[in-house]
Amino acid sequence: GAGVSQSPSNKVTEKGKDVELRCDPISGHTALYWYRQRLGQGLEFLIYFQGNSAPDKSGLPSDRFSAERTGESVSTLTIQRTQQEDSAVYLCASSFRNQPQHFGDGTRLSIL
Amino acid sequence: AQTVTQSQPEMSVQEAETVTLSCTYDTSESDYYLFWYKQPPSRQMILVIRQEAYKQQNATENRFSVNFQKAAKSFSLKISDSQLGDAAMYFCAYHGLNSGYALNFGKGTSLLVTP
Repeated sequence: GAGVSQSPSNKVTEKGKDVELRCDPISGHTALYWYRQRLGQGLEFLIYFQGNSAPDKSGLPSDRFSAERTGESVSTLTIQRTQQEDSAVYLCASSFRNQPQHFGDGTRLSIL
Repeated sequence: AQTVTQSQPEMSVQEAETVTLSCTYDTSESDYYLFWYKQPPSRQMILVIRQEAYKQQNATENRFSVNFQKAAKSFSLKISDSQLGDAAMYFCAYHGLNSGYALNFGKGTSLLVTP
């Protein structure tokens, strides 16, 4: 597609369940980023991929969070044993080299 | 660590008027980029304008322009001839070329445009 695609658009789940969020970057973009946006806040960096490698995982808030990228394309962010504080919009972005990041529409995650 | 501060949680402007959104940042780096992103209710972050720190000339993009003051570490956004479609959250963001690839965002300014 022409832009960054994220799925699902919305996800509601019970506390303690695992969730997977998907990001399809713009074709040819080598860099991929995950951010978290809590209600009324700016974006917090979670993880960055260059190709399929993640040189910077510094933003992952706990070991319940993990991410992978395959084929230098699709990325999945997994949150295990979800907690209520995980409720947020999760935004994915991609870029080519040092060009500006292009964002998807995000996944709104709600933990009951 | 770099910090980005947006001191105006909310701003209001009348249609066709001009508004300026403030942003300051803290860094010890000399090479970096600064951005303004717009986030309408659709949630998508849309790049409005970008400024390279090594360029003295202020970036402009149609009705949007910045006032980049490197020594003061200030990066304000001016929106001229405001339109109803400009209503959104505006985020200032910093990207240090030697400190990783993540964008550091401010907390945002909510812009209301009144007819």
